[in-house]
Amino acid sequence: ETGVTQSPTHLIKTRGQQVTLRCSSQSGHNTVSWYQQALGQGPQFIFQYYREEENGRGNFPPRFSGLQFPNYSSELNVNALELDDSALYLCASSSGVRTGSNEQFFGPGTRLTVL
Amino acid sequence: AQKVTQAQTEISVVEKEDVTLDCVYETRDTTYYLFWYKQPPSGELVFLIRRNSFDEQNEISGRYSWNFQKSTSSFNFTITASQVVDSAVYFCALSKPNTGTASKLTFGTGTRLQVTL
Repeated sequence: ETGVTQSPTHLIKTRGQQVTLRCSSQSGHNTVSWYQQALGQGPQFIFQYYREEENGRGNFPPRFSGLQFPNYSSELNVNALELDDSALYLCASSSGVRTGSNEQFFGPGTRLTVL
Repeated sequence: AQKVTQAQTEISVVEKEDVTLDCVYETRDTTYYLFWYKQPPSGELVFLIRRNSFDEQNEISGRYSWNFQKSTSSFNFTITASQVVDSAVYFCALSKPNTGTASKLTFGTGTRLQVTL
């Protein structure tokens, strides 16, 4: 069974640029959630995708957007990067969507640095 | 709104000591789920335990044990006979029940545990 994978591992961008982060969900999982973890903080929920549709969003501006593909992999896109977007971006997959008890399996994250 | 507080920012212990990580939560839901995750330096969050609000029975798994007390809204985590490999950041998290909305996790700010020889 393949776990959650994310790419790239590290990324350096400059302010104003755009970035795309990728996530492959664990086999059999149809739900992907994205979290932003600033240094020294806990992860913050960005949004969740279920069967290719956004299914809930945290307190993040519209320049954070995403996609989920038929194979349940997902992308996180961030436009007009700001310095505060520097963080570890974590992807988590789970089966089902509307059950808060479902365990979420996390990937290793993408470390984004905005200069 | 849901909130998780981990008041201990950093704890240092010597190997073989017992250590307890505190977690206090706030929620208006009567049904909810509590989690503990471990984040080693590699960055990946590792699931440790899930507990639903109706199950206040304490749980033990090897050197790990969890104490859930609904009366004080706490879900504390104890590591017995700590080892260097336990060094990591530990997060407590809270999730809503099946309400038709995204099953997001609300995390605390984490407790960094440093176990030395």
